[in-house]
Amino acid sequence: EVQLVESGGGLVKPGGSLRLSCAASGFVFFNYNMNWVRQAPGKGLEWVSFISGSGRYIYYADSVKGRFTISRDNAKNSLFLQMNSLRAEDSAVYYCVKIRSVVAGTDAFDIWGQGTLVTVSS
Amino acid sequence: DIQMTQSPSTLSASVGDRVTITCRASQSISTWLAWYQQKPGKAPKLLIYEASSLEDGVPSRFSGGGSGTEFTLTISTLQPDDFATYYCQQYNNYQYTFGQGTKLEIK
Repeated sequence: EVQLVESGGGLVKPGGSLRLSCAASGFVFFNYNMNWVRQAPGKGLEWVSFISGSGRYIYYADSVKGRFTISRDNAKNSLFLQMNSLRAEDSAVYYCVKIRSVVAGTDAFDIWGQGTLVTVSS
Repeated sequence: DIQMTQSPSTLSASVGDRVTITCRASQSISTWLAWYQQKPGKAPKLLIYEASSLEDGVPSRFSGGGSGTEFTLTISTLQPDDFATYYCQQYNNYQYTFGQGTKLEIK
């Protein structure tokens, strides 16, 4: 079964840091581009960051550029999101998301984790 | 960035109805569009990709159409399980954007 399981969320003060992890299973992890998508409470979906299968290509939403860093460890089938200089507006459920197809490039998001909640508050 | 605008924001309908949700892109995205269904407390689920291709396991009452800047998601005969929030998403480039969502409610 294809599965993504996030961890690392929690309560952090403004200006603090947090590292999210995502454990992937059931597919050949290094073949797939991956993303983080977030959803603030009661709000819509917001794409956060993309990383290619090799880790060579990385993109960020303007709202997190310079503060968040996406990475992956293909040997451990894991995806990460290092979040620094956190703000109240970063509070959200963060989803680890798999791209649908093996081929390079963009595609729809076919597998989503259950999400991990990040709350930024003093 | 490409802006995605869904309409309506809320839709009230009854079981058995046919409903259509519209999504407009601020510039042409060819057919690089997906539709997702989300229920409260759950992760989104992919329904449609490339504007009109049905994801495996998704009931055939769901269909998508359109190209360029205007797209639709149609549910032919609403079932009780379909009441949820629906999002469109463009993946024309790596700055992915979602519509604001359409909440489908029971009338």
